[in-house]
Amino acid sequence: GQQVQQSPTSLVLQEGENAELQCNFSTSLNSMQWFYQRPGGSLISVFYNPSGTKQSGRLTSTTVIKERRSSLHISSSQITDSGTYLCAMERTGGYKVVFGSGTRLLVSP
Amino acid sequence: EAAVTQSPRNKVAVTGGKVTLSCNQTNNHNNMYWYRQDTGHGLRLIHYSYGAGSTEKGDIPDGYKASRPSQENFSLILELATPSQTSVYFCASGDRRGDTQYFGPGTRLLVL
Repeated sequence: GQQVQQSPTSLVLQEGENAELQCNFSTSLNSMQWFYQRPGGSLISVFYNPSGTKQSGRLTSTTVIKERRSSLHISSSQITDSGTYLCAMERTGGYKVVFGSGTRLLVSP
Repeated sequence: EAAVTQSPRNKVAVTGGKVTLSCNQTNNHNNMYWYRQDTGHGLRLIHYSYGAGSTEKGDIPDGYKASRPSQENFSLILELATPSQTSVYFCASGDRRGDTQYFGPGTRLLVL
């Protein structure tokens, strides 16, 4: 089965609404990251978050390594937040990073 | 800001042909990675490297080879391309274990 489960798979919001994206891991991990990808675009690191809570502007990431989960909260969503958000984990014992399938976010006016 | 470039950006190949995808990074990162991205699968790791001269198999290495001739360059080679290798390929680099990865713009490969 998939080692990284993301939910929801897609999300539609009206501008100004908040969003909560979830990531769950089936194996132990050293660290995890959140990436943002525009349609047809490359990936940009949003958070590298081994544990705890990090905030950057309207984005907040909370990772609980022991419980193998992480969340990404987007407050007061904007149209420019639209795109795909992927989480990725670094498995224990190696350099390999495993990605989830992503959450597609659409923010409409 | 990390700079990772890929070439070509788009490629059409024929079945059975040889394809080489190139990646260059200018930030002196030790680690480099090749992924492919397909709908429903997210990104999957094909090969990675710890430094010049080293290549390691990722999760889906079959049908692919990799070459790291220098710190800056990492190539992905499809000796006998097949239609199932049609995908978007991303190269990434990272400074050390556990650090964030910086991605290139991607290469769209179509194998007919």
